[in-house]
Amino acid sequence: AQSVAQPEDQVNVAEGNPLTVKCTYSVSGNPYLFWYVQYPNRGLQFLLKYITGDNLVKGSYGFEAEFNKSQTSFHLKKPSALVSDSALYFCAVRVKGGYNFNKFYFGSGTKLNVKP
Amino acid sequence: EAQVTQNPRYLITVTGKKLTVTCSQNMNHEYMSWYRQDPGLGLRQIYYSMNVEVTDKGDVPEGYKVSRKEKRNFPLILESPSPNQTSLYFCASSFLAGDRETQYFGPGTRLLVL
Repeated sequence: AQSVAQPEDQVNVAEGNPLTVKCTYSVSGNPYLFWYVQYPNRGLQFLLKYITGDNLVKGSYGFEAEFNKSQTSFHLKKPSALVSDSALYFCAVRVKGGYNFNKFYFGSGTKLNVKP
Repeated sequence: EAQVTQNPRYLITVTGKKLTVTCSQNMNHEYMSWYRQDPGLGLRQIYYSMNVEVTDKGDVPEGYKVSRKEKRNFPLILESPSPNQTSLYFCASSFLAGDRETQYFGPGTRLLVL
């Protein structure tokens, strides 16, 4: 079965410190990987994606993520956190090909709290 | 402005009363999808559509129907809603091609089934 795991329900970090939000996946086939952010009472907003090529991808608001095929991970990172980064973050995967082609799978979400 | 719109934004209904949540996008996207968001479960895909008249089940399709008669619209139909369909629903649309691939999400529809 296809799945996406975000092992931490919540991540707490002080403003100015680096942050990491973890994501691992289990899919049969090659994945497209995404990160989305959700602010309170809002829809999801796209942050970044890995389709192919360079394993380190850069996205909106200074976020980046590294695709690690051997560890099946796609952790979200930012060198210096801002209070305004506090939100709910979702990792998602779409499988390229196979029976579940074009289905999206989301993780359960990680709440990021950045304290001043 | 590029956007995905959903209506209504909030809905309270009773068990068994048919309802439709509309979704429309103005970006000429081929791919459209419906998700439900429940605490601790993240987003789960209900149905998706690759293009007009092409739809397929996501992970949790039971109790839902969809149609894609026009490229811009993708309504979600609950023929006989039940309390376990109380949830926050999101519609999304996207191109499905490399650099242009990213989903745009609507603002959400909060549904309460009594």
